Amino acid sequence: DAGVIQSPRHEVTEMGQEVTLRCKPISGHNSLFWYRQTMMRGLELLIYFNNNVPIDDSGMPEDRFSAKMPNASFSTLKIQPSEPRDSAVYFCASSLAIKGEQFFGPGTRLTVL
Amino acid sequence: AQTVTQSQPEMSVQEAETVTLSCTYDTSESDYYLFWYKQPPSRQMILVIRQEAYKQQNATENRFSVNFQKAAKSFSLKISDSQLGDAAMYFCACYGGATNKLIFGTGTLLAVQP
Repeated sequence: DAGVIQSPRHEVTEMGQEVTLRCKPISGHNSLFWYRQTMMRGLELLIYFNNNVPIDDSGMPEDRFSAKMPNASFSTLKIQPSEPRDSAVYFCASSLAIKGEQFFGPGTRLTVL
Repeated sequence: AQTVTQSQPEMSVQEAETVTLSCTYDTSESDYYLFWYKQPPSRQMILVIRQEAYKQQNATENRFSVNFQKAAKSFSLKISDSQLGDAAMYFCACYGGATNKLIFGTGTLLAVQP
């Protein structure tokens, strides 16, 4: 099993640009989570899906952030427009069930200049 | 609401020695799970060990074991025979069955001295 796959691994963009982060969960897992990690705030849950349906997006910081899961094997997190304070490492994680242990992808390091 | 507290920002251990990382949590839920994750410099989050709150027996995974004190809401991680590869940031986390959220502590940075 390849584990959770995220792309890109690194993204550098300028303020105001649209950023799209991608995630492929582990095959067979039906729950998917997006996290953000910063020095100041630690690890924060942004949104999670169960069976491709968004269940809780209360962690999404602003309307500039949106996430989709069009099918069981793919999810995106989009930031439009991006701002320097969005710079962070964004993790995607998946689990077999909501209560199961979560397996994390390698993360995307986003830098917004 | 759930909270997870790791009071040791940094710890150090000699290679082959034993170290214990502390974690306390607070939750109003009766159905919850506790985890320790390891994050090495590669930043990959790696699950180290899991404990179901309804189980009294402490979880063990090779050199890693926990001391789960439910009444005290304490969940410490013991690493035996420490190895250089154990150097990493360690996060304690609590998952609540009602909230369906995994809440992380602030982490403990473990250094292993050769």
